[in-house]
Amino acid sequence: NAGVTQTPKFRILKIGQSMTLQCTQDMNHNYMYWYRQDPGMGLKLIYYSVGAGITDKGEVPNGYNVSRSTTEDFPLRLELAAPSQTSVYFCASSYGGPRGYTFGSGTRLTVV
Amino acid sequence: QKEVEQDPGPLSVPEGAIVSLNCTYSNSAFQYFMWYRQYSRKGPELLMYTYSSGNKEDGRFTAQVDKSSKYISLFIRDSQPSDSATYLCAMSDQAGTALIFGKGTTLSVSS
Repeated sequence: NAGVTQTPKFRILKIGQSMTLQCTQDMNHNYMYWYRQDPGMGLKLIYYSVGAGITDKGEVPNGYNVSRSTTEDFPLRLELAAPSQTSVYFCASSYGGPRGYTFGSGTRLTVV
Repeated sequence: QKEVEQDPGPLSVPEGAIVSLNCTYSNSAFQYFMWYRQYSRKGPELLMYTYSSGNKEDGRFTAQVDKSSKYISLFIRDSQPSDSATYLCAMSDQAGTALIFGKGTTLSVSS
C-alpha cells in the first residue's frame, strides 16, 4: 500500500520554464490537496479537489494550475516558473472525514 | 491577526523532560484540531487528533483543547531523542475542509 506518491523528489528549474508535479494516491480518497512549505512559514494551501472533475483555489494559487481527471491523480502545473516558487511542495489526500490527511514525501523545487 | 499562531522555537530540552507545545487561533468555528509531526526532509504525519474541547492521551502524548481560550496544547512526557522533529498544529471548521496549519515548532531532544 503506497499511500500518496509524489514525483519528482527534486527538481531545478530555470526562470520561465514550466513543469508538472505529479501526485498519485491509492487509498480511494476523494479529497486531495496541494500545499507549499517555505522555511519557517508552515504549510500554505495552493489548490484542492473534493473529487474527480472538481477543483478549487486555496490561499496561494497564483502561478499554478491543477486538474483532477481521476480519483487517483492530482497533478500541479507550474507555468513560467519564478524564484518565488522555490519551495517544498506536498500533496495530501483524505477520505473527507475529520482525521486529517495522508501526506506524500514532498517535491523540493528550486527556481534559478 | 493570522488565523493560527505557533511559536516556531527552536525548543531544546534534555532527554526525559516534559515538553509543552502550543497554538492559539482566532476562528471560533474551528472544531477539529490536529497535531502533525514532521521529521527533516519528510512529509508531515498525523500524531494526535481531537474534536472540540477536552483532552486526549496516547502513550507519552497528550493533546488539550480549550475552545473558550482558543488555545491548544501538545504535551510530550519523558521526551526521547527520537521526538526531535517539527510539530505542526492544524485545525478546520468542518470535516473534509482544508486544514489551516501553524508555522510549526522545531523541537530538539538531547541525550
